[in-house]
Amino acid sequence: EIVLTQSPGTLSLSPGERATLSCRASQSVSSSYLAWYQQKPGQAPRLLIYGASSRATGIPDRFSGSGSGTDFTLTISRLEPEDFAVYYCQQYGSSLRTFGQGTKVEIK
Amino acid sequence: EVQLVESGGGLVQPGRSLRLSCAASGFTFDDYAMHWVRQAPGKGLEWVSGISWNSGSIGYADSVKGRFTISRDNAKNSLYLQMNSLRAEDTALYYCAKDGYSSSWFSPFDYWGQGTLVTVSS
Repeated sequence: EIVLTQSPGTLSLSPGERATLSCRASQSVSSSYLAWYQQKPGQAPRLLIYGASSRATGIPDRFSGSGSGTDFTLTISRLEPEDFAVYYCQQYGSSLRTFGQGTKVEIK
Repeated sequence: EVQLVESGGGLVQPGRSLRLSCAASGFTFDDYAMHWVRQAPGKGLEWVSGISWNSGSIGYADSVKGRFTISRDNAKNSLYLQMNSLRAEDTALYYCAKDGYSSSWFSPFDYWGQGTLVTVSS
């Protein structure tokens, strides 16, 4: 099983600031099959990024993903009020999919 | 419009069984793998199980292997999760999720239902 470790656990930032979220895998994620999801309270998760760096349909370009192998990053260039949420990374390159434990982006 | 509607959740005693269903619409169901993902109260996401479009590939998280069985009925556009020997730690909101790529086993989840709550308690 590929274990995904996200850091930091909580990120306290102000609107307009840049957010950098990390996801580290216990072994290489094949073909960069790494996705990022956003979840707001009371809502289902929403796909943001797939293939480590491709934005899903309708996702603003302030969201970007990068990385390969075992180290991946989600960057939000300028935080909007609606971006404060919990973010999860997920690997889908093995038959046992796994999620990271999440990073909460909160208003400072 | 893609819709995934889960049902079947509820309060169940430890050791008992429950069957969850997910009714899908708005896409060609038998082209896509489907998954169950759960979220314990106040906790993160945990992938539970997945099944390919033709049921030829199936996977389970270690935490449920041997107790849960995933299945699908493509004629009814429905996904199921049979949960046996339930434990308190199975208490969670169970989401049904759709793969983003057709005829693929390795794909992100592009649509999610709103979930059905399972509470395991005596």
